[in-house]
Amino acid sequence: QLMLTQSPSASASLGASVKLTCTLSSGHNSYAIAWHQQQPEKGPRYLMNLSTDGSHIKGDGIPDRFSGSSSGAERYLTISSLQSEDEADYYCQTWGTGPLVFGGGTKLTVL
Amino acid sequence: EVQLVESGGDLVQPGGSLRLSCAASGFTFSSYAMSWVRQAPGKGLQWVSGISGSGGNTNYADSVKGRFTISRDNSKNTLYLQMNSLRAEDTAVYYCAKGVVRGLTYFDSWGQGTLVTVSS
Repeated sequence: QLMLTQSPSASASLGASVKLTCTLSSGHNSYAIAWHQQQPEKGPRYLMNLSTDGSHIKGDGIPDRFSGSSSGAERYLTISSLQSEDEADYYCQTWGTGPLVFGGGTKLTVL
Repeated sequence: EVQLVESGGDLVQPGGSLRLSCAASGFTFSSYAMSWVRQAPGKGLQWVSGISGSGGNTNYADSVKGRFTISRDNSKNTLYLQMNSLRAEDTAVYYCAKGVVRGLTYFDSWGQGTLVTVSS
């Protein structure tokens, strides 16, 4: 079954970098994903699509501080030079032949 | 600029019905799949249903299959979600999301959401 696993929380200091992980379920290493950000009390916002080879297509207006990479079943979102507005929930999402799937989300705290 | 504006959320009793709408603008509506995604209070995102650009293919989460119906009117650039036999666990903010191709993949634009509360 296609599933995505994310750590519930992460934290990093203002100005530092953080790498969030999204893990695809066994047998689904070749799947692309998308990353979405949800700031407090707001609707989600598309960040990027991320392929198996690490290539990614970012949404309009997404800063260069946001980047993606891949390794095996892992899909990563790296945010550098953290700013206060990066404090948000981050969701990965994927698709196959059935229902679309979201990970449980990672709550990022900027210290 | 892509705009998605949901409406129709309300307080409804268990067993009741509701129809949500999503008015789309800023893109060629019929060229893209659309989905409904919900978020229960304090919880994560859950995909509910999706429909292809032509409207010919639909898909549903198991939790809503047989109770919810997704549809679209490409002449009106509007997406709908008919929700029947509503349950307390359907309480959530419902978001309309635009796909990137005609088939169901991922979303590159989101609406602001509409709140559905199922309670007696």
